[in-house]
Amino acid sequence: GQNIDQPTEMTATEGAIVQINCTYQTSGFNGLFWYQQHAGEAPTFLSYNVLDGLEEKGRFSSFLSRSKGYSYLLLKELQMKDSASYLCAIFGAGSYQLTFGKGTKLSVIP
Amino acid sequence: GAVVSQHPSRVICKSGTSVKIECRSLDFQATTMFWYRQFPKKSLMLMATSNEGSKATYEQGVEKDKFLINHASLTLSTLTVTSAHPEDSSFYICSARYSPGTSGRPQETQYFGPGTRLLVL
Repeated sequence: GQNIDQPTEMTATEGAIVQINCTYQTSGFNGLFWYQQHAGEAPTFLSYNVLDGLEEKGRFSSFLSRSKGYSYLLLKELQMKDSASYLCAIFGAGSYQLTFGKGTKLSVIP
Repeated sequence: GAVVSQHPSRVICKSGTSVKIECRSLDFQATTMFWYRQFPKKSLMLMATSNEGSKATYEQGVEKDKFLINHASLTLSTLTVTSAHPEDSSFYICSARYSPGTSGRPQETQYFGPGTRLLVL
């Protein structure tokens, strides 16, 4: 089976940096995704990590440590529009199905 | 990123009627599509995996006779909610699996459609 944990809620200030952590346990691993979901909308793809290390994409970076079952999403220069839920999801072994965490609701305040 | 469309975006129907939702990958071929359901303030729940040219695989607890899935082509999957009831009211979201080698993009991922909000009265 698979288990994914991430904080339920976080609050950060506009212009600041925030790190959203995700830990997982899985019997097999084929990659970890981060998605952004605004209220009432479908998720949008942010990043994909399959190897250890940091992937940077503009203001967003994602890190993976497979040995620790740990990932984080780093958001820099926060903007109000970054207020959303951030979903951590993993591909299990032998499957292209995504298993989602419950999401972290990020509130960006002025 | 890749584009996945869903139609309709919003539907209101009477209890007992059937509703069909279409999911299309617009700029890549998707041999596998997924159907999710999301209730307010809850996680995405996978309902079924739709494979082109074969029967869908349903998650435990999802009634295959109630949620009919057809993946007739590499760019289209449909979900039909049969004899819908108020408890079926939810946000239904599809995703399409993109694989490397398709349209030159480098990585495996899933792209989501914009979702269909179903309200059964």
